[in-house]
Amino acid sequence: EVQLVESGGGLVQPGGSLRLSCAASGFTFSSYAMHWVRQAPGKGLEYVSAISSNGGSTYYANSVKGRFTISRDNSKNTLYLQMGSLRAEDMAVYYCARDRGENWFDPWGQGTLVTVSS
Amino acid sequence: NFMLTQPHSVSESPGKTVTISCTGSSGSIASNYVQWYQQRPGSAPTTVIYEDNQRPSGVPDRFSGSIDSSSNSASLTISGLKTEDEADYYCQSYDSSSVVFGGGTKLTVL
Repeated sequence: EVQLVESGGGLVQPGGSLRLSCAASGFTFSSYAMHWVRQAPGKGLEYVSAISSNGGSTYYANSVKGRFTISRDNSKNTLYLQMGSLRAEDMAVYYCARDRGENWFDPWGQGTLVTVSS
Repeated sequence: NFMLTQPHSVSESPGKTVTISCTGSSGSIASNYVQWYQQRPGSAPTTVIYEDNQRPSGVPDRFSGSIDSSSNSASLTISGLKTEDEADYYCQSYDSSSVVFGGGTKLTVL
């Protein structure tokens, strides 16, 4: 069964840092580009970041550029999102998703909640 | 910036047919594939339509997708509505700059 499991969310103060992880199983992780998408409470989906299958190419939304870093460890079948200089507007459920091709995201993980508050 | 616009909400009765639109702000929506995701409360999104009109295995054929180039829009049609179809639906596509999601449509089946 193809599965993505996020972890690492929690409460962090404004200006703080957090690293999210996404553990993949059930497929050849190193063959797929991966994405992070977030959803603020009661809001819609917002695209955050992407990384190519070998990690050589990355993309960031303007809202997180310079503050977030996406990476992956194909030997550990794990995707990461290092988040820094966190702001109240970064508070959201963060989902990882596999790219099935042509930017089709499937499946998605169950999400991990990041709360930014003092 | 490329944007996708969806109606905020739609409602329909069980057994009926509903169509949710997704209009592109610029360019041709037909240039890149459109996906549709269903999100039930408290759950992660799941795919109901990919590559404009393809259904993943397990998605009933009551769900269909289409593209209308004349209106630069994509549509998700759900026929034979069931109460279990009540959820938020998001369209998603991309351009040369980024992946873009529509704002989401809340479907109420009453």
